[in-house]
Amino acid sequence: EAGVAQSPRYKIIEKRQSVAFWCNPISGHATLYWYQQILGQGPKLLIQFQNNGVVDDSQLPKDRFSAERLKGVDSTLKIQPAKLEDSAVYLCASSSLDESQETQYFGPGTRLLVL
Amino acid sequence: DQQVKQNSPSLSVQEGRISILNCDYTNSMFDYFLWYKKYPAEGPTFLISISSIKDKNEDGRFTVFLNKSAKHLSLHIVPSQPGDSAVYFCAASGYGGSQGNLIFGKGTKLSVKP
Repeated sequence: EAGVAQSPRYKIIEKRQSVAFWCNPISGHATLYWYQQILGQGPKLLIQFQNNGVVDDSQLPKDRFSAERLKGVDSTLKIQPAKLEDSAVYLCASSSLDESQETQYFGPGTRLLVL
Repeated sequence: DQQVKQNSPSLSVQEGRISILNCDYTNSMFDYFLWYKKYPAEGPTFLISISSIKDKNEDGRFTVFLNKSAKHLSLHIVPSQPGDSAVYFCAASGYGGSQGNLIFGKGTKLSVKP
């Protein structure tokens, strides 16, 4: 079974530029999560989708971050414009409705550096 | 304000010995706790979990203990192996957020020396 796929793996941009990350969850997983992990911290949930609907986006900085999962499968997370403090690893995870939703399967992450 | 705390950034253990990783939490609404393991350049991997109605859960070499009165949980690895060297994250859920909304600690880096 293929795992969660993310691209790109690394991205370097200048502040005020825009960037987008892509995630393809495990086939059949209805729930998809985006996390931000700043160096030295644990992952922090940004947004949670179930199929193509948003379940929780309370910690998403909506003035600059947006995410979509239009067909209920893959998802994109966008930052526009980026700030220096957005430098972090962005992790995508998915979970199945047949399992506990706390059992999440993570992708390798996209490491973003904002200069 | 950190709701899940891992106060030891690192731990070094000899191969074959027991590794004990600790985690404290502040929110009494948490009802489910998990440990995730992370290797460099990879995403976290689920390791073991425990519900608040239990005080112990065991899976092979890994055992998680929960002390609700102390708001403390620990992960025991016996015997420790060099392949266990990784960063271990404690996580909690059930505080009233959406199901699956995990609150993670900062992690503890475990080094198991041959």
